[in-house]
Amino acid sequence: AQKITQTQPGMFVQEKEAVTLDCTYDTSDPSYGLFWYKQPSSGEMIFLIYQGSYDQQNATEGRYSLNFQKARKSANLVISASQLGDSAMYFCAMREGRGGSQGNLIFGKGTKLSVKP
Amino acid sequence: EAGVAQSPRYKIIEKRQSVAFWCNPISGHATLYWYQQILGQGPKLLIQFQNNGVVDDSQLPKDRFSAERLKGVDSTLKIQPAKLEDSAVYLCASSFGLAGGKPGELFFGEGSRLTVL
Repeated sequence: AQKITQTQPGMFVQEKEAVTLDCTYDTSDPSYGLFWYKQPSSGEMIFLIYQGSYDQQNATEGRYSLNFQKARKSANLVISASQLGDSAMYFCAMREGRGGSQGNLIFGKGTKLSVKP
Repeated sequence: EAGVAQSPRYKIIEKRQSVAFWCNPISGHATLYWYQQILGQGPKLLIQFQNNGVVDDSQLPKDRFSAERLKGVDSTLKIQPAKLEDSAVYLCASSFGLAGGKPGELFFGEGSRLTVL
């Protein structure tokens, strides 16, 4: 069974608009971490944001925020005020155990975001 | 601060030949990872080192893949003999490990793209 599901293979957004990238996950471990990474065409993976399973508030990092709905097992990434440089692949990932500080980082299949001028 | 260095960036080989990839992590990072990213998929962990010891190699095809990190710094991933299905990008990543840094904040190199003909 897939542990991380990203149902949107591709998304388009107008520059300066906000966009939400969907991610659902599956785990029976009460302690886990959820992550989003960005992969531009150059290939490297860039860490964006982290949410621990016990965190009470949704994580935010600049223009990135994570909409964490624990009961629904969803961890959607919201990018506000999209920029052309945001065009890239976006991967949701999960790490089980100790709030996500240990263990294998499991990635979804990714969503390709294209920002239109 | 220098990032994770990988070489070569691109490699084309015939099936049944061998290939080796090299990775130099960020200075001071105790944990080093090798991921395989097949086109259209998210990265999949092959092996994780903590200093020069193996933490997780459960998904490494040990009949053909090997990896070492002899002095706890740089690492080499070898494939021998290569198969067509090994065509992928091999990503190296490093992290502080259990101490310091944001949980799950892995720093990735730009990857080594392997094509097996």
